[in-house]
Amino acid sequence: EAQVTQNPRYLITVTGKKLTVTCSQNMNHEYMSWYRQDPGLGLRQIYYSMNVEVTDKGDVPEGYKVSRKEKRNFPLILESPSPNQTSLYFCASSFDTAISTDTQYFGPGTRLTVL
Amino acid sequence: GEDVEQSLFLSVREGDSSVINCTYTDSSSTYLYWYKQEPGAGLQLLTYIFSNMDMKQDQRLTVLLNKKDKHLSLRIADTQTGDSAIYFCAESRSDKIIFGKGTRLHILP
Repeated sequence: EAQVTQNPRYLITVTGKKLTVTCSQNMNHEYMSWYRQDPGLGLRQIYYSMNVEVTDKGDVPEGYKVSRKEKRNFPLILESPSPNQTSLYFCASSFDTAISTDTQYFGPGTRLTVL
Repeated sequence: GEDVEQSLFLSVREGDSSVINCTYTDSSSTYLYWYKQEPGAGLQLLTYIFSNMDMKQDQRLTVLLNKKDKHLSLRIADTQTGDSAIYFCAESRSDKIIFGKGTRLHILP
């Protein structure tokens, strides 16, 4: 089954404790992206990757890192989480770049709470 | 402005048509999208329209595009309880997709 998986689905952590949210897709997609969703702000892009070893900042990259060592995985790293990073995070992938008509597949979301 | 704008809430009676409106900013956007997010789930692409089209129909969904006014709308005919969700308008911009804040569609019995 074609899918994007994220882990964990729920995480409560404390300020400053490094964490990683994993994202994996099994569709051989080149394009992967991370978004955060906040009430009243909609979806905002954090980072995206056009291909292996190619990553670019989205609209709200501060406080986050990503890596794309393999095509299928695109982890989101919070080196020193802060409460303002409490949010719902979505990973997405598509075969080609975001501007194509190819469906962008979204993961189920990771709800992160930073105390 | 830089944002994709849409109203935050819409209430519609079951069986009526729902019309969700959106304004976008980039006249060079190639594609415009409508995504649906059901409670507790990720986003799902509902439909898209290429910028040289005025209208696209897909079963109960009709998308209208007014390029002059940069206005996009999604009409859902015969709205059902299963249509209750948040609907996101989005535009392609360079290598990104820019999303609106989402319109929560509430179905009244």
